[in-house]
Amino acid sequence: AQTVTQSQPEMSVQEAETVTLSCTYDTSENNYYLFWYKQPPSRQMILVIRQEAYKQQNATENRFSVNFQKAAKSFSLKISDSQLGDTAMYFCAFVYNAGNMLTFGGGTRLMVKP
Amino acid sequence: EADIYQTPRYLVIGTGKKITLECSQTMGHDKMYWYQQDPGMELHLIHYSYGVNSTEKGDLSSESTVSRIRTEHFPLTLESARPSHTSQYLCASSDLVYTDTQYFGPGTRLTVL
Repeated sequence: AQTVTQSQPEMSVQEAETVTLSCTYDTSENNYYLFWYKQPPSRQMILVIRQEAYKQQNATENRFSVNFQKAAKSFSLKISDSQLGDTAMYFCAFVYNAGNMLTFGGGTRLMVKP
Repeated sequence: EADIYQTPRYLVIGTGKKITLECSQTMGHDKMYWYQQDPGMELHLIHYSYGVNSTEKGDLSSESTVSRIRTEHFPLTLESARPSHTSQYLCASSDLVYTDTQYFGPGTRLTVL
C-alpha cells in the first residue's frame, strides 16, 4: 500500500520570502506520478505542479518548484516570492499508474503573512 | 471552457431528509470521484467511477450511493441524512488514458442539523 506523509501540519512565511513544504511517500513501485494540490480557504482545489517519477529533472511552474529525490522518496514543494494568495492548504498526492487512485497526504496549512 | 461543477455549494438540511449532491464535468473525462473532507482537511475517497454504469466504493465507508448514467454526470445521494454526514464533499474527474491528474470541483459543504 502507498502512503503519503506531510510532516508539517501548519507553516507560515512572510510575503516575498521562500518556503518549502515537505512530503515523503512510501511505495515499491518504480513508475508513478506525484502532485501538489492547493486548496485556498473556501475555494476550489487546484493542481499546482506534477512530477513523473521517470523524469530526473525537477518540475517547475512559475514560482513553484519541486525537489524530487526518488531514492529518498521525498517530494518537497518550494514556493518562491510568496504572495498573500498562496495562503491555502497544500496537499501532496501520489498515484502509481493511470488506473489507480490518488493517495493524499494529510495536508499542510500555509499562511503567508504581510 | 472545460470545467467541473458542483451544486449546491452549501446545503443545510434536517435529519432524515434525502439529498442529492450534483457533479458535472465538461472535459469528457472517464473517471470521476467523490471525496469527503473532514474538518481536519484530510481527504477520504468514498466513491469512484471508471465510466458509464461503473461505480465503486472507495477507501472510506459511506452510507451514500452514486450513479453514472452519463459520462459527464456523477451525482451522490444520501437517502436519509444524519448529523454525522456533515462534511465537505468534493467531486473530481480525470482522463484515464493520458494522465491521472485529477481536477476538482468547488465542493459542497453539507450541514445536517
